[in-house]
Amino acid sequence: EAGVAQSPRYKIIEKRQSVAFWCNPISGHATLYWYQQILGQGPKLLIQFQNNGVVDDSQLPKDRFSAERLKGVDSTLKIQPAKLEDSAVYLCASQSLTNTGELFFGEGSRLTVL
Amino acid sequence: AQSVTQPDIHITVSEGASLELRCNYSYGATPYLFWYVQSPGQGLQLLLKYFSGDTLVQGIKGFEAEFKRSQSSFNLRKPSVHWSDAAEYFCAVGASGNNRKLIWGLGTSLAVNP
Repeated sequence: EAGVAQSPRYKIIEKRQSVAFWCNPISGHATLYWYQQILGQGPKLLIQFQNNGVVDDSQLPKDRFSAERLKGVDSTLKIQPAKLEDSAVYLCASQSLTNTGELFFGEGSRLTVL
Repeated sequence: AQSVTQPDIHITVSEGASLELRCNYSYGATPYLFWYVQSPGQGLQLLLKYFSGDTLVQGIKGFEAEFKRSQSSFNLRKPSVHWSDAAEYFCAVGASGNNRKLIWGLGTSLAVNP
């Protein structure tokens, strides 16, 4: 079974530029999460999708962050314009509705904003 | 409010020594409990999970954890630590039902001395 795929693995941009991250979850997993993990901290939930609907985006900075999962499969997270404090690893995770709730994570996309 | 506490921010043990990482939770219902490990530059990998039944659960890499309802704890243990176990360890709690978003602890960083 293929795992959660994320790209790019690394991205360096200057502040005020834009960036997009892509995630392809495990096949059949209805729920998809985007997390932000700042160095030395735990993962912070940005947005939770179930199929193509948003379940929770209460911690997503909507003035600069957006995410979509149009067909209920893969997802894109965008930051525009980026700030220095957005430097972090962006983790995508997927979850099945039929198992005991564990999340399966991709390797993450590391963003450095200069 | 639902919460997960990992009291130890950082632990150092000698290779071959035993290990116990603490996790306490506050949750209204019977929780699903998870331990994840994150090696540098990697995503999070599930070590083990508890959702029902035997309160002592076995995981990968020789880890085990014990669910103690009376103490609201789910401590992670390993009898003999290997240098490759150096990583960040996260405890998380979730629930059954439609919204199975996980609540995360802040993590415990494990260093292993040779």
